[in-house]
Amino acid sequence: DAGVIQSPRHEVTEMGQEVTLRCKPISGHNSLFWYRQTMMRGLELLIYFNNNVPIDDSGMPEDRFSAKMPNASFSTLKIQPSEPRDSAVYFCASSLEGVPTDTQYFGPGTRLTVL
Amino acid sequence: AQSVTQLDSHVSVSEGTPVLLRCNYSSSYSPSLFWYVQHPNKGLQLLLKYTSAATLVKGINGFEAEFKKSETSFHLTKPSAHMSDAAEYFCVVQISGGYNKLIFGAGTRLAVHP
Repeated sequence: DAGVIQSPRHEVTEMGQEVTLRCKPISGHNSLFWYRQTMMRGLELLIYFNNNVPIDDSGMPEDRFSAKMPNASFSTLKIQPSEPRDSAVYFCASSLEGVPTDTQYFGPGTRLTVL
Repeated sequence: AQSVTQLDSHVSVSEGTPVLLRCNYSSSYSPSLFWYVQHPNKGLQLLLKYTSAATLVKGINGFEAEFKKSETSFHLTKPSAHMSDAAEYFCVVQISGGYNKLIFGAGTRLAVHP
């Protein structure tokens, strides 16, 4: 299996621009997670999908952030408009829920820099 | 509420010496616990997980962790450090009673010197 795939790996943009991060989970997994990692706050869960439905978005920082999962093999995280404080590494992870103590498999991350 | 505390933000060892990365957890239930490793500019990789079976859990790359309920600890150890072990290590607890939500510790950065 190719693992969780994220694109782009690096993104540099200017404040105010729209940013879209993409994730392809492991085939057959039914749960998908978006995380943000910063030096100040560590790893934070942003949103969780199960069977393509958002279940917990309590970690989404504000209305500028939105996430979608139109099908089982694709998800996006959008920031509009972007701000310098959004600079972070964004990880996508997937798992097969229902398996006892499901393991989350992480993608390589997208390093976002907002100037 | 469940939480984890990693007691050291940085640990430095010499190659060939033992590694000890400390983690204490807080949980009202018997928790599921994990250790993940993150190499520079890479994603997170699962090292091992505890699921209330054996208290001594063996993982990849020679790492193991022991679940000690009386001490609420889940320390990660390795008998002999290798240069390639230099990375950041995260102790993680799974939220019980809900979906597979993970709470990450702040991380311990392991440096290995020749």
